[in-house]
Amino acid sequence: DAGVIQSPRHEVTEMGQEVTLRCKPISGHNSLFWYRQTMMRGLELLIYFNNNVPIDDSGMPEDRFSAKMPNASFSTLKIQPSEPRDSAVYFCASSPSEVSNQPQHFGDGTRLSIL
Amino acid sequence: AQKITQTQPGMFVQEKEAVTLDCTYDTSDQSYGLFWYKQPSSGEMIFLIYQGSYDEQNATEGRYSLNFQKARKSANLVISASQLGDSAMYFCAMREGWNTNAGKSTFGDGTTLTVKP
Repeated sequence: DAGVIQSPRHEVTEMGQEVTLRCKPISGHNSLFWYRQTMMRGLELLIYFNNNVPIDDSGMPEDRFSAKMPNASFSTLKIQPSEPRDSAVYFCASSPSEVSNQPQHFGDGTRLSIL
Repeated sequence: AQKITQTQPGMFVQEKEAVTLDCTYDTSDQSYGLFWYKQPSSGEMIFLIYQGSYDEQNATEGRYSLNFQKARKSANLVISASQLGDSAMYFCAMREGWNTNAGKSTFGDGTTLTVKP
């Protein structure tokens, strides 16, 4: 079975550019999460969706970040304009539902470098 | 707000020995789930084991077991018979029940485990 698919795997771009990260959750999973991982701040939850609806975006660092889930099989995380401090590994994860006994299945992450 | 605390930034264990990784949590929810994940140096996040807040038995999955002490709000991971491939970062996580922030997830800062040959 296909797991969570993230693209691109690596992205290097200059500051000020728009960055779009993509995620395809596991088919049938109704919850989707975006995380950011850095050495300094660890693994931070940015936003999560249940049934394509954003439930909590309190972790989104600032207005430069936005996330959408137009349908059950696709989500994007966009940074515009990007800054060097946005450099991190961004993970997408999905879960069968919002029920608390369901584990999250992670994609391989996108390693983002902003020069 | 929920919170996960992992007090051991790094741990060492001899191959074939057992090791316990500590995790304490804080939540006002009655219904929640506790999880452990492994992140090897290659970067992927691997789900290891789950414990529900209403589960009376400690969870076990092969060489992994979870020492759940609800009154103390601790959910320690025990790895028995350590192997070199167990060297990785280990994260404790909690998901809230769905009467509050449905399914919201919080991760601890992680513990880096190094298994010595």
